[in-house]
Amino acid sequence: QVQLVESGGGVVQPGRSLRLSCAASGFTFSDDAMHWVRQAPGKGLEWVAMIWYDGSNQHYVDSVKGRFTISRDNSKNTVSLQMNTLRVEDTAVYYCARDPSKSGWAFTDWGQGTMVTVSS
Amino acid sequence: QSVLTQAPSASGTPGQRVTISCSGSSSNIGRRTVNWYQQLPGTAPKLLIHKDDQRPSGVPDRFSGSKSGTSASLAISGLQSDDEADYFCAAWDDSLIGLVFGGGTKLTVL
Repeated sequence: QVQLVESGGGVVQPGRSLRLSCAASGFTFSDDAMHWVRQAPGKGLEWVAMIWYDGSNQHYVDSVKGRFTISRDNSKNTVSLQMNTLRVEDTAVYYCARDPSKSGWAFTDWGQGTMVTVSS
Repeated sequence: QSVLTQAPSASGTPGQRVTISCSGSSSNIGRRTVNWYQQLPGTAPKLLIHKDDQRPSGVPDRFSGSKSGTSASLAISGLQSDDEADYFCAAWDDSLIGLVFGGGTKLTVL
């Protein structure tokens, strides 16, 4: 069965960095785009970033452009989110999500999420 | 302020039919397919409807999706207490070059 397991969350001071990872299994990872979606406490879902199946293209929400970098290693079935210059407003649960090709940007599988708290 | 607009709350009694709406624009819903997610309390979101009106395997046929122009709707018939959750619409936005979510609708089963 498909599994997505996020790791790397924690408490960090504003301006510092954190790297999230998502380990995938149960499907052909190199066939699918991958996304990061976040949810601030008590708030709705916010799409953060995506990377194409082969890593050739990435897109980001405006609020993280220049600060966050999404990457993937298809040999290790992992997708990562490098978060630099963190802000208090980046505090959220971060989910990785699978986006199969031809799914119409549908996230068929989600991880359990990892909490990132940015606080001084 | 979300790019896709949803009413913050909806409610119904068991057995009723409830509709949740999602309003967008020509750069997202007007030209891209809509997906719907259900998020039960304390859990990760789950795909409920994809490509406007398609149900993934395992999703009961009580859930249905539709789209017209720049708006989409999720209908839940035969409402059950287990349906109490947050529901989010989502679509790719060609102007923003990113995915956008609705703000979410909290469904209460009375």
